Amino acid sequence: EAAVTQSPRNKVTVTGGNVTLSCRQTNSHNYMYWYRQDTGHGLRLIHYSYGAGNLQIGDVPDGYKATRTTQEDFFLLLELASPSQTSLYFCASSPRRAEQFFGPGTRLTVL
Amino acid sequence: QQQVRQSPQSLTVWEGETAILNCSYEDSTFNYFPWYQQFPGEGPALLISIRSVSDKKEDGRFTIFFNKREKKLSLHITDSQPGDSATYFCAARPTGANTGKLTFGHGTILRVHP
Repeated sequence: EAAVTQSPRNKVTVTGGNVTLSCRQTNSHNYMYWYRQDTGHGLRLIHYSYGAGNLQIGDVPDGYKATRTTQEDFFLLLELASPSQTSLYFCASSPRRAEQFFGPGTRLTVL
Repeated sequence: QQQVRQSPQSLTVWEGETAILNCSYEDSTFNYFPWYQQFPGEGPALLISIRSVSDKKEDGRFTIFFNKREKKLSLHITDSQPGDSATYFCAARPTGANTGKLTFGHGTILRVHP
């Protein structure tokens, strides 16, 4: 079974702060995704990647950057965090056109 | 514009009853519909899925009914158990998509009372 881990699991920062969320998958899946989950909005795709060095824009990319450094590692960057980015963030990975495997999530609070 | 809609937002049933969760979509190019189950404190996990060439998919107590003409599908959970209490997401992917990118609904919170 695919293993997707995320760190940190919880993060509190202040408005204007710099935050990096990390995701690692150990099954060599090509595709990785970053979502945010908010009550009343479900899961919304922020960015995704086909492989190391590749980045694709998702549906709600504003205020977020991402970088895929290796096949295993995908990072989400918030360079000037705002309270509207307080959310539960999920990373997922998948083989091409197949089931997505989700990590346990990171709860981010921006004060 | 919400492309995948779910109803109801929340649903409460008694143990042993059948829970029915509904999903509808706008984009006629969608041809793959997975349902994900999420327990509190965890990430979503694939529960069951269906392709648009089928009108029904069963896996134990979980059944998807699909109506392509009406662009509607539903997840039926028979003999509901308290352990089924979770949030259920309907998702969709268009044909020809190489990305695996899914569009998710807002979810239905299911509570099963013993």
